[in-house]
Amino acid sequence: AQKITQTQPGMFVQEKEAVTLDCTYDTSDPSYGLFWYKQPSSGEMIFLIYQGSYDQQNATEGRYSLNFQKARKSANLVISASQLGDSAMYFCAMREGRQGAQKLVFGQGTRLTINP
Amino acid sequence: NAGVTQTPKFQVLKTGQSMTLQCAQDMNHEYMSWYRQDPGMGLRLIHYSVGAGITDQGEVPNGYNVSRSTTEDFPLRLLSAAPSQTSVYFCASSQVGGVGYEQYFGPGTRLTVT
Repeated sequence: AQKITQTQPGMFVQEKEAVTLDCTYDTSDPSYGLFWYKQPSSGEMIFLIYQGSYDQQNATEGRYSLNFQKARKSANLVISASQLGDSAMYFCAMREGRQGAQKLVFGQGTRLTINP
Repeated sequence: NAGVTQTPKFQVLKTGQSMTLQCAQDMNHEYMSWYRQDPGMGLRLIHYSVGAGITDQGEVPNGYNVSRSTTEDFPLRLLSAAPSQTSVYFCASSQVGGVGYEQYFGPGTRLTVT
């Protein structure tokens, strides 16, 4: 079974609009962390935001926020006031807390295109 | 502070050749890992290490070897390259001890096997 599911292969959004990228996850471990990475066309992986399973509040980093719904096992990324430079691939990833499990499991990604 | 460095950036191999992808980090991170990214897909874990002398397999380990003799370096060896190993390879590192530590990625190596 897939641990991380991103159901939107591609999204097209007008500049300055807000956009939500979906991510659902599957784990039985009570301790886990959820990450979002951005991969622009240049190829590097850029860390955006992190949410821990025990965090009481949704994470925010500038224009990025994470809509964490634990009961639904979803961790959607919200980008406010989108910019042309936000066009990129976006990956959701999870790290589970079991002993020695520092491994990061990635979803298949969503390609976001911001139109002027 | 260079972070995570990878060499080479690009490589073309013929089927059956062997080579080593180099990865180094200067952040004194215990955890290092190798991922591959195939076109249109997310990253998949090949091998990882939680410290010098300790390595383990990830999701797609076949055809690859690793060793970790120092904290800083984590080379990935392709034993006998196959076209199916054409991919972009990322090395990453992080601290250990909790789920919240960010993984820092290298710039990637684009490998083509003909």
